[in-house]
Amino acid sequence: RKEVEQDPGPFNVPEGATVAFNCTYSNSASQSFFWYRQDCRKEPKLLMSVYSSGNEDGRFTAQLNRASQYISLLIRDSKLSDSATYLCVVNTGRRALTFGSGTRLQVQP
Amino acid sequence: ETGVTQTPRHLVMGMTNKKSLKCEQHLGHNAMYWYKQSAKKPLELMFVYNFKEQTENNSVPSRFSPECPNSSHLFLHLHTLQPEDSALYLCASSQRIAGDANTGELFFGEGSRLTVL
Repeated sequence: RKEVEQDPGPFNVPEGATVAFNCTYSNSASQSFFWYRQDCRKEPKLLMSVYSSGNEDGRFTAQLNRASQYISLLIRDSKLSDSATYLCVVNTGRRALTFGSGTRLQVQP
Repeated sequence: ETGVTQTPRHLVMGMTNKKSLKCEQHLGHNAMYWYKQSAKKPLELMFVYNFKEQTENNSVPSRFSPECPNSSHLFLHLHTLQPEDSALYLCASSQRIAGDANTGELFFGEGSRLTVL
């Protein structure tokens, strides 16, 4: 089983739509969780951290379910500029972060 | 200056060549990393350096040889590579090592795209 598993997509949605991505992780000792964004042919950048209580940053909401080892990212009112690959990232307490393969989002006009 | 710079951005080499990738961070961070990104695969951690000391070698073949002369510079020396080593090699840095203190922010360079013929 992969350490961090994501649906690769692509998710094709119209502008203004709400879209949700899910991610599961295998290591129950994982300590912290993040979503990164990677634009085409660019480097990954931190989008937001994911807290147990859930957290929101503008149109983006992240949720963590430790019991089910599941993380989600919800994007409301999608913009064309949201088109990117979204990487689920887990800190398992080892020396570096573990990345999922990413979910590709394409927002269409 | 951008936070993490990598050179060269593109590299084409034959299997018998020796080349090096360079990474420099201007953020005053203490930890630096090499990741490999192949198409449709997750980022694969290769090496981790913390205060210039290598703390992780993720079972990387010896044809990849890292060097960290100081906390700001990281190299990846390449020799006798295989075509399957063609990928995007990403350097990253963080204030503290990513396994400690729940830090989640890695700052990546734009990567060096390597093609092995």
